[in-house]
Amino acid sequence: QSVLTQPPSVSGAPGQRVTITCKGSTSNIGAGYDVHWYQQFPGRVPKLLVHGNTNRPSGVPDRFSGSTSGTSASLVISGLQAEDEAHYYCQSYDTSLSGSGVFGGGTKLTVL
Amino acid sequence: QVQLVQSGAEVKKPGASVKISCKASGYTFTRYSIHWVRQAPGQGLEWVGWINTGNDDRKYSQNVEGRVTITRDTVARTAYLELKSLRSEDAAVYYCARDNYVAYYYHYMDVWGEGTTVTVS
Repeated sequence: QSVLTQPPSVSGAPGQRVTITCKGSTSNIGAGYDVHWYQQFPGRVPKLLVHGNTNRPSGVPDRFSGSTSGTSASLVISGLQAEDEAHYYCQSYDTSLSGSGVFGGGTKLTVL
Repeated sequence: QVQLVQSGAEVKKPGASVKISCKASGYTFTRYSIHWVRQAPGQGLEWVGWINTGNDDRKYSQNVEGRVTITRDTVARTAYLELKSLRSEDAAVYYCARDNYVAYYYHYMDVWGEGTTVTVS
């Protein structure tokens, strides 16, 4: 059972917008720890997609956007493209675990 | 360029120990902590622990605490993960990742190694 909860899967047609949620608690996201998102293709190394809740590293399309509210975070992917099909993970830290890192269980995005 | 290069795949028997390495290049090693993250076959990412390469502070996941040791060699610019008393559930790809520290509540994994597969059989 992951400390951060993500839906196992989401899907959308090309061009559509999808939202991946990441539900935490008052000991992680609600405690003020920033949320980061990683994208992983099958058999590949995870790649940083969003850091500090809303910031995209250089080279990440602005179709990807992150936000937080209370004890939850969201990753929105607009204008879905076939190449967006991947697993997405949220990550933060947790005070009840003495600042240890925590990941969401991951969400498989399927582009229909 | 910034790079983390990990050691090769390992095959170990249950109860044995494994030590894998992560060599950094392209940046000042002691300015960035190193995380270790693992991924069991078909599963999600699991944080294992991290080391402050500057002051040698370490923190471990409760799931492996007592069996895991993370160390670093600042001269060799290398971080190490040692896991003892291996169990079948320790079989995974182990990644090292650089910690980009902005503030206490804001630090993230910006560069990842290619992964080291550990098989326990």
